[in-house]
Amino acid sequence: GAVVSQHPSRVICKSGTSVKIECRSLDFQATTMFWYRQFPKQSLMLMATSNEGSKATYEQGVEKDKFLINHASLTLSTLTVTSAHPEDSSFYICSAYKTGRTEAFFGQGTRLTVV
Amino acid sequence: GIQVEQSPPDLILQEGANSTLRCNFSDSVNNLQWFHQNPWGQLINLFYIPSGTKQNGRLSATTVATERYSLLYISSSQTTDSGVYFCAPGGDKIIFGKGTRLHILP
Repeated sequence: GAVVSQHPSRVICKSGTSVKIECRSLDFQATTMFWYRQFPKQSLMLMATSNEGSKATYEQGVEKDKFLINHASLTLSTLTVTSAHPEDSSFYICSAYKTGRTEAFFGQGTRLTVV
Repeated sequence: GIQVEQSPPDLILQEGANSTLRCNFSDSVNNLQWFHQNPWGQLINLFYIPSGTKQNGRLSATTVATERYSLLYISSSQTTDSGVYFCAPGGDKIIFGKGTRLHILP
């Protein structure tokens, strides 16, 4: 299967700082990537859809100014959590569609803890 | 948007047992995937199955797109099968159900 790499796998940051998470498709080009967050014992909630070369589409209730998404190339999308607060602590995971929008592959996830 | 229902929400089985997990979805979809989330959070692709039946070892899946449901079969369960199984219909977006939490007892 295809490989999606997410970095870092875990990060601890102080309240008020910003954190950037990278999502890379290693062996295929991804025109579309997705960002999810997952709270303990809950499902994955879609935050936004990232399309290469255009603005991300955010789901209802997700603050676009807080969660900045950049999809500058066909192999890299980044999520920046700005001015992080303890309630932003969560598991963030990205996925990428191979061209043709068939099968999606997921990164390893990033566990963010804001203290 | 599309609604996804998975059942049962929780399942506890003895090692060696068989199980069937169900996924109902509210709208037509272009594709559907099943994932296993391991204890470290990694999502493992099990099946890409927009329609029809596929088998991979002890696992098999069937999607009946016209009736908007998919089934995941696990035979001869092993303790390593424990975890959460997610159904994720997709199209322009990939939406997850709440999952089935499976616990296999040794």
